[in-house]
Amino acid sequence: GAVVSQHPSRVICKSGTSVKIECRSLDFQATTMFWYRQFPKQSLMLMATSNEGSKATYEQGVEKDKFLINHASLTLSTLTVTSAHPEDSSFYICSARDPGAPGTEAFFGQGTRLTVV
Amino acid sequence: GENVEQHPSTLSVQEGDSAVIKCTYSDSASNYFPWYKQELGKGPQLIIDIRSNVGEKKDQRIAVTLNKTAKHFSLHITETQPEDSAVYFCAASEGTGFQKLVFGTGTRLLVSP
Repeated sequence: GAVVSQHPSRVICKSGTSVKIECRSLDFQATTMFWYRQFPKQSLMLMATSNEGSKATYEQGVEKDKFLINHASLTLSTLTVTSAHPEDSSFYICSARDPGAPGTEAFFGQGTRLTVV
Repeated sequence: GENVEQHPSTLSVQEGDSAVIKCTYSDSASNYFPWYKQELGKGPQLIIDIRSNVGEKKDQRIAVTLNKTAKHFSLHITETQPEDSAVYFCAASEGTGFQKLVFGTGTRLLVSP
């Protein structure tokens, strides 16, 4: 099946700094990617929909100026957590669907564990 | 918007027993219902999915049933094995599109040898 890769898998940063997380579709072109956040022992909450070549669509309550999303190519979307604080520590996961595939499966990346100290 | 509820939150079974996880959804327009398995520290992995035009789907030890009228769907795992231990999430598409998913709260399944 299609593969979605995230990098880095783990990152520790100091409060006030920014962190960039990459999400790549390795063998297909994704016009749309999705970014989720998952706190420990909780479900996945959609943060935003990343659209290639246009602005991302953010879910209610998600600060667009804090979580910057760039989808500059059909295989790469990035999420930048700006001025990170300890409460931003979480597991961030991206997903994408292969529009050329007959199924409807959404492929997920392996996730990025962000720890803000 | 779509709201998905999932039960139970934890489920402990003996190896070889069956496990059933149930979900309900609120949006009658939803038409795609995947189930994901998530192991610790990893992203979700699709294990089975079903579309609204189908009532049941089976893949070896795993099956999913969908009742559109009642707006609920269930995951059935037979002959459970210790490696089935993980957190399972149901999800429902928001509206008629297939891409935007709303997830249930998750079920932690523990299969004891």
